[in-house]
Amino acid sequence: ILNVEQSPQSLHVQEGDSTNFTCSFPSSNFYALHWYRWETAKSPEALFVMTLNGDEKKKGRISATLNTKEGYSYLYIKGSQPEDSATYLCAFITSSASKIIFGSGTRLSIRP
Amino acid sequence: EAQVTQNPRYLITVTGKKLTVTCSQNMNHEYMSWYRQDPGLGLRQIYYSMNVEVTDKGDVPEGYKVSRKEKRNFPLILESPSPNQTSLYFCASSIEGGQPQHFGDGTRLSIL
Repeated sequence: ILNVEQSPQSLHVQEGDSTNFTCSFPSSNFYALHWYRWETAKSPEALFVMTLNGDEKKKGRISATLNTKEGYSYLYIKGSQPEDSATYLCAFITSSASKIIFGSGTRLSIRP
Repeated sequence: EAQVTQNPRYLITVTGKKLTVTCSQNMNHEYMSWYRQDPGLGLRQIYYSMNVEVTDKGDVPEGYKVSRKEKRNFPLILESPSPNQTSLYFCASSIEGGQPQHFGDGTRLSIL
């Protein structure tokens, strides 16, 4: 059974602080890793698609890195804002580009 | 507007009464998938389809059936629902396997 783990489970940070969290995944049978942002009462929305070892992607204040050899990805948020409050999910896609395994998410709350 | 549409959005029913949750996408996507979301467990893949007439089991397929007779539709069938299938269900699609997914708005099922 392939396991994808995210830590921490939840995080409370002060507005303006920077933060990061981790997604750990199997280092074999890797095709891609996706990051999603999931706001309350909405559906998950894709943030990043990571495919190559050493990938770094950035969208505004949010960035992500990928290490496929050791099986982890980091998501960074710089200067957190209240609108960053959401659950952040990572999804591991197996080498056949078919099965998708989600982590259980990191719930981020930003204190004004 | 590009979208994934699920129906119904909410359903309360009784054990053993067959039900179908429909999913339709208008983006000509090849890949479609069903997930269930339970507290503390994140999104778990039930079934996926790489293309028309090609379906396969995800991590939690027991008690569910799917079909993919047309590219746009991917219904989820519960032949004999049981209370442990009470959950929030999401349908998602992507242009092909391994690409980021577009999610529907979710269907909340309660099986009494």
